[in-house]
Amino acid sequence: IAGITQAPTSQILAAGRRMTLRCTQDMRHNAMYWYRQDLGLGLRLIHYSNTAGTTGKGEVPDGYSVSRANTDDFPLTLASAVPSQTSVYFCASSEGELDTQYFGPGTRLTVL
Amino acid sequence: GQNIDQPTEMTATEGAIVQINCTYQTSGFNGLFWYQQHAGEAPTFLSYNVLDGLEEKGRFSSFLSRSKGYSYLLLKELQMKDSASYLCAVRDQDYKLSFGAGTTVTVRA
Repeated sequence: IAGITQAPTSQILAAGRRMTLRCTQDMRHNAMYWYRQDLGLGLRLIHYSNTAGTTGKGEVPDGYSVSRANTDDFPLTLASAVPSQTSVYFCASSEGELDTQYFGPGTRLTVL
Repeated sequence: GQNIDQPTEMTATEGAIVQINCTYQTSGFNGLFWYQQHAGEAPTFLSYNVLDGLEEKGRFSSFLSRSKGYSYLLLKELQMKDSASYLCAVRDQDYKLSFGAGTTVTVRA
């Protein structure tokens, strides 16, 4: 593994279902982030983690939860998916919160 | 809230120069980033400005004026592979990035 990986690449999900998007980085970065990208709106921060064991809310956290049990992994969970959560989800990481963020390849999620 | 504005689309000819402007009003300022994003791919880091002035990196340059809340990304000697979206992002007082909606640049032969 080199950099950041995300899984799945794409997913179609029925409304009301639970879904976890996975993100793993092998750069030993302390900070990790989840964004969603919607046409015309740009990237919006959902949740972040400045270091393992801590998490924080971003601009659009409702309907999403995260955990950071270790340095490498930062899963994003949709407890009960709704159609407005249809989006492309990007995970990013940085060495620290003052450093440049690097992005994973993204997960395209469609909620029907 | 944060307000970051950039043009939606720009078109230029191969070999030409294009300047993408970005204006911002944010809660504090701790640096401005430019990212490139090809269709269907992840954003990739291009440049970072925290002090006023011009940063040059090969064919790409980025300028910042903190007093005016203004930045631009200059792409010189345009190539077909430069067709992409360019994202302006500002790091605020909480060290979080706020992104503009992006500028789609189309390079024509």
